Amino acid sequence: KAGVTQTPRYLIKTRGQQVTLSCSPISGHRSVSWYQQTPGQGLQFLFEYFSETQRNKGNFPGRFSGRQFSNSRSEMNVSTLELGDSALYLCASSLSPVQETQYFGPGTRLLVL
Amino acid sequence: SQQGEEDPQALSIQEGENATMNCSYKTSINNLQWYRQNSGRGLVHLILIRSNEREKHSGRLRVTLDTSKKSSSLLITASRAADTASYFCAGAGSYQLTFGKGTKLSVIP
Repeated sequence: KAGVTQTPRYLIKTRGQQVTLSCSPISGHRSVSWYQQTPGQGLQFLFEYFSETQRNKGNFPGRFSGRQFSNSRSEMNVSTLELGDSALYLCASSLSPVQETQYFGPGTRLLVL
Repeated sequence: SQQGEEDPQALSIQEGENATMNCSYKTSINNLQWYRQNSGRGLVHLILIRSNEREKHSGRLRVTLDTSKKSSSLLITASRAADTASYFCAGAGSYQLTFGKGTKLSVIP
């Protein structure tokens, strides 16, 4: 099976812009989670989707949003970008909700200038 | 917020030696998972230990879990240069994985 894919892999944006990141889970996986990784804060949970429903959201402002489609693909959107949003954004999928083994994609590296 | 705190933050050993990393967590968990990350790439799942298990082995990996102390350890035996990476523990609650800050392991050939 193909692994988790994330697009784009690299992105440069300027403050105030918005960005949409995409994640395609492993075939058959219905749970998708998103994480933000920065040197200062480490890996922080953003949100988790299962069967198109957001089950949980981390402690991030409303500028961070996401959705999941019927084919389990997921997107996350960040509006009004800030310099502090520069990070590696990781998507992970699993067969069942988040308690089980997560399979991670390679990440999208976002740089906000 | 971070669930786990890994100790040490960085570890440098010679090839062939054993590497031990420790993790403490704060809240109750259903299971504890260990992941490896090579240089800013995606995470790779290593091993999962459930809250009712005390020890688990997988190849050169040995994980222990002490729920009374809210701590876990990861032992990598006979380390190789290819084991050089960052290692993260993650506590699985009801709705999310909460990661520690990681241990950066360097294995010197």
